[in-house]
Amino acid sequence: AQRVTQPEKLLSVFKGAPVELKCNYSYSGSPELFWYVQYSRQRLQLLLRHISRESIKGFTADLNKGETSFHLKKPFAQEEDSAMYYCALSGRGSSNTGKLIFGQGTTLQVKP
Amino acid sequence: DAGVTQSPTHLIKTRGQHVTLRCSPISGHKSVSWYQQVLGQGPQFIFQYYEKEERGRGNFPDRFSARQFPNYSSELNVNALLLGDSALYLCASSFAYEQYFGPGTRLTVT
Repeated sequence: AQRVTQPEKLLSVFKGAPVELKCNYSYSGSPELFWYVQYSRQRLQLLLRHISRESIKGFTADLNKGETSFHLKKPFAQEEDSAMYYCALSGRGSSNTGKLIFGQGTTLQVKP
Repeated sequence: DAGVTQSPTHLIKTRGQHVTLRCSPISGHKSVSWYQQVLGQGPQFIFQYYEKEERGRGNFPDRFSARQFPNYSSELNVNALLLGDSALYLCASSFAYEQYFGPGTRLTVT
């Protein structure tokens, strides 16, 4: 079965602390993995994808095929990072981009 | 560009009724996808359309249908509404690997 699991509904950290949002997936084949973010009163938007290997707003995510995980990390959390984060996957190729499978989401709360 | 737009913003329907939700993609985007987001859950894929053809369908009953028009806008139709259809319905248009989401339509079924 194709599935994305985010085990934590809520992650609360203090400003300056490291952050790790967990994501595990189940997929037969080679998926593309994404992190999407939704800030308060804003639309869901792409944060990063595993193939690009970019660091966006200080966040990075490494695909671990052995553990089927794609955890999102940031060494020093900022208050503006508070948001809902969704891990998602799709099949490879642009034709599959529009068929995302999302996890349940993790609310990140960064306290001052 | 205003981004992906959806209408209406919210609506209330009664069980058994029919509803039509509308979506306009970003100019130049030919692919439109629909998602259902129930409170407390992540979005769940319903349909993808590309160049007016259905390219994918999620695990939803036949009461759900959609279409895409020549200008790439799209409609999602839901017949015989159930209480469980109450959700936020998201539309997204795609370019390359990225999906751009609209603000959603909040549907409440009473």
